[in-house]
Amino acid sequence: EDKVVQSPLSLVVHEGDTVTLNCSYEVTNFRSLLWYKQEKKAPTFLFMLTSSGIEKKSGRLSSILDKKELFSILNITATQTGDSAVYLCAVTHFGNEKLTFGTGTRLTIIP
Amino acid sequence: DAGVIQSPRHEVTEMGQEVTLRCKPISGHDYLFWYRQTMMRGLELLIYFNNNVPIDDSGMPEDRFSAKMPNASFSTLKIQPSEPRDSAVYFCASSTRLAPPLDTQYFGPGTRLTVL
Repeated sequence: EDKVVQSPLSLVVHEGDTVTLNCSYEVTNFRSLLWYKQEKKAPTFLFMLTSSGIEKKSGRLSSILDKKELFSILNITATQTGDSAVYLCAVTHFGNEKLTFGTGTRLTIIP
Repeated sequence: DAGVIQSPRHEVTEMGQEVTLRCKPISGHDYLFWYRQTMMRGLELLIYFNNNVPIDDSGMPEDRFSAKMPNASFSTLKIQPSEPRDSAVYFCASSTRLAPPLDTQYFGPGTRLTVL
């Protein structure tokens, strides 16, 4: 059974700080890892990673995957209050379309 | 283009009653997923369909839960009889492997179910 562990469970930082969120996984026949942002509603897609060492970037957010060590990180630079949310990591494996989610990291940005 | 549509957005019912949640996926998407989110267990897949056919229902808690997809634009998740432990937010999501980004699922706004 696929397993996803995120750390830290929660994080409180001041506006302007840089944060790093962690996601480790155990997946048989790994296919991809996805990051989602969830505010007080539905998760919204951020990134999908399939290859090691290739950084995906969108504005102040970036993410990278290490398939050898089985983890991914999500970086957010110059944080803003609008970044406050739960960040979810999920994985997929070949042969099935299901996403297996971690429990998420709750990020709070203090003005 | 409209996203995934779910109804109702909120449902409050009494234990023992039947509850039906509805979902309209994004047009053209051939995969539909039902998830349940609780504080204790996080986001869990209940069942998913491909081209209206149930593929994996291993996450369905028990026989009280059933899901159908009669056509490409509509799915239901039914709980009968409902119990207080079914209280959660139920999300519907859809995706397609016909266009990138693959594996990306798009979530509806969710139905917040409270069973008293």
